[in-house]
Amino acid sequence: AQSVAQPEDQVNVAEGNPLTVKCTYSVSGNPYLFWYVQYPNRGLQFLLKYITGDNLVKGSYGFEAEFNKSQTSFHLKKPSALVSDSALYFCAVLFNYQLIWGAGTKLIIKP
Amino acid sequence: DAGVIQSPRHEVTEMGQEVTLRCKPISGHDYLFWYRQTMMRGLELLIYFNNNVPIDDSGMPEDRFSAKMPNASFSTLKIQPSEPRDSAVYFCASSEGWGGTDTQYFGPGTRLTVL
Repeated sequence: AQSVAQPEDQVNVAEGNPLTVKCTYSVSGNPYLFWYVQYPNRGLQFLLKYITGDNLVKGSYGFEAEFNKSQTSFHLKKPSALVSDSALYFCAVLFNYQLIWGAGTKLIIKP
Repeated sequence: DAGVIQSPRHEVTEMGQEVTLRCKPISGHDYLFWYRQTMMRGLELLIYFNNNVPIDDSGMPEDRFSAKMPNASFSTLKIQPSEPRDSAVYFCASSEGWGGTDTQYFGPGTRLTVL
């Protein structure tokens, strides 16, 4: 079955440190992968996507994600975290014209 | 562009009442999506439209839910009668195309509470 797993409900990082939010997927065929961010009381905002090409994808707000086909992963990264990065992050994979969403990871950046 | 607009932002109603949620997609976007977000089930696609025509409504939970898109700039999601388990945040999203590579733009959501 097609699925997305975000193994961590919450990730805590000190401001200025690098951050990683993990995502693994299971889908037949070549995956189209997405990261969205949700701030409190707001809708989801697109961060970045992988369709094809370079395995390292750069997106908004300094975020990037690395596609790893052998590990079926698409981890979100940022070299230096900001307090304002604190939010809920969703990974998604496209299947049959629908986005299959992960459960979300709450990212908390502490000053 | 103002982005995807949803109204109301908050709705509190009593069980058995009819609830109508509204969405205005981004101008020029041909696709419109309705999602429901709950703690228990996460983000679920309810239905999506292409050029005002429903394409896939397999996510609509039951007959109490209905969605319409009478024109390119307006869609409604109706629940009749509402039940406490319908309490959730309902999002509308739109995109220019939908081959999968297009970005979906989300509205701020409507937080529905059914007492």
